[in-house]
Amino acid sequence: GQNIDQPTEMTATEGAIVQINCTYQTSGFNGLFWYQQHAGEAPTFLSYNVLDGLEEKGRFSSFLSRSKGYSYLLLKELQMKDSASYLCAVLDSNYQLIWGAGTKLIIKP
Amino acid sequence: NAGVTQTPKFRILKIGQSMTLQCTQDMNHNYMYWYRQDPGMGLKLIYYSVGAGITDKGEVPNGYNVSRSTTEDFPLRLELAAPSQTSVYFCASSYSTGEGGETQYFGPGTRLLVL
Repeated sequence: GQNIDQPTEMTATEGAIVQINCTYQTSGFNGLFWYQQHAGEAPTFLSYNVLDGLEEKGRFSSFLSRSKGYSYLLLKELQMKDSASYLCAVLDSNYQLIWGAGTKLIIKP
Repeated sequence: NAGVTQTPKFRILKIGQSMTLQCTQDMNHNYMYWYRQDPGMGLKLIYYSVGAGITDKGEVPNGYNVSRSTTEDFPLRLELAAPSQTSVYFCASSYSTGEGGETQYFGPGTRLLVL
């Protein structure tokens, strides 16, 4: 079956750095997405990786290793507004998104 | 651009009732999707459409129906509502499924409670 694993919850301090990991086993791979979802709101697009390596976008970076079935989202200079759930999703061989359950990130002052 | 819009925002249904969740996008996207999101679970694909007149089942289609008569609209129909359909429903759209157009953009969601 298809499976995406990410930690259920993480806690970090304002101003610090946090890394959210995602491992996947899917039928085929056509890219990996990270989305941010604030409580009661819709998911919003953060990043897309299809090749191995690190993609940087301001305070957020996303890394992919296809051979290891592994990705991480790195958030720097954490702000209170970064408190949200972070969803990892893989585009499978049928170009359908398979979603992880999400990681709830709690930021403490 | 309004992006993806959904109505209603919240609805309470009695068991056995029916309703239609509306979804409209103004980005001229070919692909549209319906997901449900339950607490502690990943988004589950209900139905999707690759263009007007073409729809296909996702992972959890039972109890739902869709139609796609125009590029903009993709309504989701619930027939004979059951408590198991209590969830948050998200509509999404994307330009394509390849060549960099795969990013899905989501509507604000419809919270449905079936009692």
